[in-house]
Formats: sequence, C-alpha cells, structure tokens
Amino acid sequence: AQSVSQHNHHVILSEAASLELGCNYSYGGTVNLFWYVQYPGQHLQLLLKYFSGDPLVKGIKGFEAEFIKSKFSFNLRKPSVQWSDTAEYFCAVRGAGNNRKLIWGLGTSLAVNP
Amino acid sequence: SAVISQKPSRDICQRGTSLTIQCQVDSQVTMMFWYRQQPGQSLTLIATANQGSEATYESGFVIDKFPISRPNLTFSTLTVSNMSPEDSSIYLCSVEGLGDRYEQYFGPGTRLTVT
Repeated sequence: AQSVSQHNHHVILSEAASLELGCNYSYGGTVNLFWYVQYPGQHLQLLLKYFSGDPLVKGIKGFEAEFIKSKFSFNLRKPSVQWSDTAEYFCAVRGAGNNRKLIWGLGTSLAVNP
Repeated sequence: SAVISQKPSRDICQRGTSLTIQCQVDSQVTMMFWYRQQPGQSLTLIATANQGSEATYESGFVIDKFPISRPNLTFSTLTVSNMSPEDSSIYLCSVEGLGDRYEQYFGPGTRLTVT
C-alpha cells in the first residue's frame, strides 16, 4: 500500500539554524511530490512541488526540496530558519496520472525559538 | 490561487445530531475533496465530490454517514450524520483544477467538537 513517512514529528530549532525534514514514500510508479505548510491559525498552503525535471525544487520563503528517486525521498530543507517558519509541515505524494488522491505524512511540528 | 471558504468555521454539536459543512470556491473547479484531520494524525481523504454524479468515498467512509452534495462547479457540502465524539475533528475542503491542475488548494477548515 502507498504510504508516506515523515521521520521527525517535533523539531525545535533556534533562529538561523539549518533545517532538514525527512520524507520517504512507498509507491511503485511515477510520483508527484508535495510539501504543504500550515502556519498557526491558518489553512494549508503549498510550499513546493515536484512533478518532473530538476530533482531540486525551490519553493516559497527560501525552502527547497530534493527528490532522490533511488531513496524514495523528498526531504525539505532551509539553510536558515526564522521564527516565522514555526508551523506544521506535511509531505504528500500522489501517483502520476489520473489518480488525484494524495497520500499524506503525519506531519512535522516545527518550533523556531527567537 | 483560489479563495475557498468554509462554513461554519467551528461548531460544538451534541451526540446524535447532524452538521452540514459548506465549501464555496470563487471560481469553477473540476475536483473537490473532503478531508478529515484528527488531532495528532495525518489528513485522511473522506471522498471526492464530483459535479453531476455521486461522490466517490474512500475505504472506511460511507455515504450514509457522510453524505456529500456537489450541485455546481463552485460549491459542495459535507454532512456529518448521527455524530459521536469520535467525529470530533477538523474537516477540510480542497479543490483542484486552478492554474496548475495537479495542485490542491485548501479551505480554512471546520473545527467540529461533538459532546
């Protein structure tokens, strides 16, 4: 069965620290990959996505993610976090094609201390 | 991106009653989805709301418990029927079909508490 695993459930960092959130998926075919973010009191927003091409994708607010097909991974990174990055981060995967169903990870709660 | 609104934003309901949640989009969309987000858990897809046909439900969710309407391309409702405390959750509407058709956009959610 398809699944998504986010390794870190709770992460606490100080401002200016580097961030890497792990995401691994289980799916046999071509995939579309997403990271969504949910800031406190706000709705889910798309952070970045990968469909094809360059496996290193850049998103909003300085975030990037790298798709490593051999490792079934799509880790999220940011070189220097800010207090405003405090949020819940969700990795999601969908099989490419007509199936629109997204498979979600459990999410990672990131707290950035000023 | 689209503007998606949900009503109500939150509600506290008694066991055994039903609540209908509305989702309104400011432009026509092909696909609309209903999710549940329970505390400490991932998002779970309840069903895909298809305009002009019955909704497609995921395993574990049935039409009698979660009837869905999709009367047009900008609106959908989800009813949580005969509620129990286990139905306490955040219910999210999402849409696809705006700009990049592979992206999903989410509404603000409805926080439901069943007592």
